[in-house]
Amino acid sequence: RKEVEQDPGPFNVPEGATVAFNCTYSNSASQSFFWYRQDCRKEPKLLMSVYSSGNEDGRFTAQLNRASQYISLLIRDSKLSDSATYLCVVNTRSNDYKLSFGAGTTVTVRA
Amino acid sequence: DAGVIQSPRHEVTEMGQEVTLRCKPISGHNSLFWYRQTMMRGLELLIYFNNNVPIDDSGMPEDRFSAKMPNASFSTLKIQPSEPRDSAVYFCASTLWRDSEAFFGQGTRLTVV
Repeated sequence: RKEVEQDPGPFNVPEGATVAFNCTYSNSASQSFFWYRQDCRKEPKLLMSVYSSGNEDGRFTAQLNRASQYISLLIRDSKLSDSATYLCVVNTRSNDYKLSFGAGTTVTVRA
Repeated sequence: DAGVIQSPRHEVTEMGQEVTLRCKPISGHNSLFWYRQTMMRGLELLIYFNNNVPIDDSGMPEDRFSAKMPNASFSTLKIQPSEPRDSAVYFCASTLWRDSEAFFGQGTRLTVV
């Protein structure tokens, strides 16, 4: 089983729509969770960290469900510029550092 | 700060040749990571260093791959001999401390023919 699994998509949505997707992780002792964004042929960049209580950053909302071992990302009022691949990232070691990346979920926002 | 700097940006080489990828982390960052990205396997951690010391190289695919970090401002990833299946984008990333935001370089796109 992969350490981090994501629905690859693609999610094709119109501008202004809401899109949400999840990722699951296998190590129940994982403590740190992130969403990174990667544009085509570019490097990944941190979008937001994911906290236990859930957190928002503008139009983006991240949630963590430890019991079911998944995190989610919701994008409201999507913009054309939100088109990208969203990488779920988990520190999969409880006593050390190893960021494990999901394969990414592709989102395409159309006009 | 200029961010994480990788060179070269693109490399095309013939099978069997030695390839050296270079990385300059952000000044003051304590941890450095080498990743490989392919369509088939996504982003894979190859090796990471903490304070210039290799901590985990379990992701290095085989003995043809080696990485060094002689000082806090420079790291290399070497493939010798290179094979077509090594073709991928290789990213270097650095963090201020373990578990903080990882800043990636722009990557080296390697093609082995």
